Amino acid sequence: QSALTQPPSASGSPGQSVTISCTGTSSDVGGYKYVSWYQQHPGKAPKLMIYEVSKRPSGVPDRFSGSKSGNTASLTVSGLQAEDEADYYCSSYAGSNNVIFGGGTKLTVL
Amino acid sequence: QVQLVQSGAEVKQPGASVKVSCKASGYTFINYYMHWVRQAPGQGLEWMAMINPSDGITNYAQKFLGTVTVTRDTSTSTLYMELSSLRSEDTAVYYCARDMTTMTNDRFAYWGQGTLVTVSS
Repeated sequence: QSALTQPPSASGSPGQSVTISCTGTSSDVGGYKYVSWYQQHPGKAPKLMIYEVSKRPSGVPDRFSGSKSGNTASLTVSGLQAEDEADYYCSSYAGSNNVIFGGGTKLTVL
Repeated sequence: QVQLVQSGAEVKQPGASVKVSCKASGYTFINYYMHWVRQAPGQGLEWMAMINPSDGITNYAQKFLGTVTVTRDTSTSTLYMELSSLRSEDTAVYYCARDMTTMTNDRFAYWGQGTLVTVSS
């Protein structure tokens, strides 16, 4: 199974919005509503930001939102802040108790 | 509060095996799926395997079938991951992670601090 496809980088200025895509297949992203997004700062463990495509765990700012259309999921970060600069990874349930990650996107706040 | 505390860094020779532990606390261990995820230096996250601590049933990513064994000890709320036939490409930080709810196995809400495994001769 190949990793989900994410752009290697994305950027935006403080206050702007940025969207990161995550493209899979009908066997993973397109086939289930179980897409998650993780934020990872350098040297730290990842943090769950979005689950089930668009739901936010307690404590995650509502500036973070998720959506899905067909085989592509998206994470939007609105009102960019300096602390949002990090690596972001999508993941999807892929059937038969398997999970697959995207390759990751480095978000730079200009 | 939920805590996952992993064992310390390891240095192994090619061909050897390594066993990493992850001790859970702050919740009922058998109620939540547990996962292992690894990250090679400068690379992305890679899901390796999951286990249902209640019955010990495991699922492995195709890539790791035959080389990774995940087990648990319910008496000590500890998860284990053994990786055999180590190669230099296995050099990575290995994370254990707990799923978010008792009914799910696809979302990693709590993470250990990571264990660096270095494979070098």
